[in-house]
Amino acid sequence: EVKLLESGGGLVQPGGSMRLSCAASGFTFTDFYMNWIRQPAGKAPEWLGFIRNKANGYTTEYNPSVKGRFTISRDNTQNMLYLQMNTLRAEDTATYYCARGSYWGQGVMVTVSS
Amino acid sequence: DVVMTQTPVSLSLAIGQPASISCKSSQSLLGTSGKTFLNWILQRPGQSPKRLIYQVSKLYSEVPDRFSGSGSETEFTLKISRVEAEDLGVYYCWQGTHFPDTFGAGTKLELK
Repeated sequence: EVKLLESGGGLVQPGGSMRLSCAASGFTFTDFYMNWIRQPAGKAPEWLGFIRNKANGYTTEYNPSVKGRFTISRDNTQNMLYLQMNTLRAEDTATYYCARGSYWGQGVMVTVSS
Repeated sequence: DVVMTQTPVSLSLAIGQPASISCKSSQSLLGTSGKTFLNWILQRPGQSPKRLIYQVSKLYSEVPDRFSGSGSETEFTLKISRVEAEDLGVYYCWQGTHFPDTFGAGTKLELK
């Protein structure tokens, strides 16, 4: 069974940084692209980016809306996915999900506020 | 970015009634591979989104066959033949043909 469990959310001040983690299990982690998607309360999801699988060199792609501020990485020895978020703004407030294709985690809330 | 427009914004239906949700894209979602990467997901209250349909009309194995998807190019439809209580929530269409992936604004299905 595919399981994805995010952690690391919370309250951060504008301009601050935060790193989210996603623990993956139930599948061969290195075989899959992994995504981050976020969803402000009451709004539609927004795809943030992905990191490719082993066969494609673990390279990354980002939504232009966050490119340069957000960085996706993975630790394939621990089956972990990460999202490093820098220079955070109020509009980054959302629930953040990791996703493997059609499977989504439970999400973690990030609030950017002073 | 491809804009996904869903209608209606909300639906209020009784158990057993059919439902239909429209999703229109600002560009054709037919990819160079010949595949159309149009998905439907359901977000029940307080939960993360769950997968329903991929490539326009293919149901995931766990999805009841009262759900169906159709359409092509820029116009797509999700239908529920007979609504059940577990179907309430917000339905989103989601395109993966063009970079970046984009989502519709959602259709909220409520029970009458």
